[in-house]
Amino acid sequence: GQQVMQIPQYQHVQEGEDFTTYCNSSTTLSNIQWYKQRPGGHPVFLIQLVKSGEVKKQKRLTFQFGEAKKNSSLHITATQTTDVGTYFCAENTDKLIFGTGTRLQVFP
Amino acid sequence: AAGVIQSPRHLIKEKRETATLKCYPIPRHDTVYWYQQGPGQDPQFLISFYEKMQSDKGSIPDRFSAQQFSDYHSELNMSSLELGDSALYFCASSLGSQFYGYTFGSGTRLTVV
Repeated sequence: GQQVMQIPQYQHVQEGEDFTTYCNSSTTLSNIQWYKQRPGGHPVFLIQLVKSGEVKKQKRLTFQFGEAKKNSSLHITATQTTDVGTYFCAENTDKLIFGTGTRLQVFP
Repeated sequence: AAGVIQSPRHLIKEKRETATLKCYPIPRHDTVYWYQQGPGQDPQFLISFYEKMQSDKGSIPDRFSAQQFSDYHSELNMSSLELGDSALYFCASSLGSQFYGYTFGSGTRLTVV
């Protein structure tokens, strides 16, 4: 079935550096949701984007939905050790179809 | 605020045994979902219920079944367990619209030995 690809698969950064994960689909997405899963934890809903070109911010996190609604990005400014985890994008079509995820490791 | 409650947190079963996982969704959430997550994998959709009726089915083996009861709690029944069934099983609930995020439970870690 259709899967949303995320890149990179892994990212190691020094605390204070920025981080970006990209979510790409071959088909138009009706919406995109972002979730964070800490190691050993469960996915936690961060945000939803619906409109073409939409940009939303949550403190150090910036979420963007592409103009063609086929891609999305999550950018974290000045990472902290608390940002460690796997970030998933997902399309909600009456069920969540998750992207492949990006695992972020932050070194102090 | 009340969250999605799953039990048990950990479960160890032998091959060919049966397991039952329970989920108590957030009150007033009308849709419950079950997901399976293997090590290093993204969560895979198994099945969902809307107002106690099965609403969608994903890659759920025939050995698995699920239902939602009158009190809205849901159970995932897994029979003839195989080693490959070892995974994290998450339950999530939502208001059933495409415009709401899902609230996930803490999951049940199933180990089949």
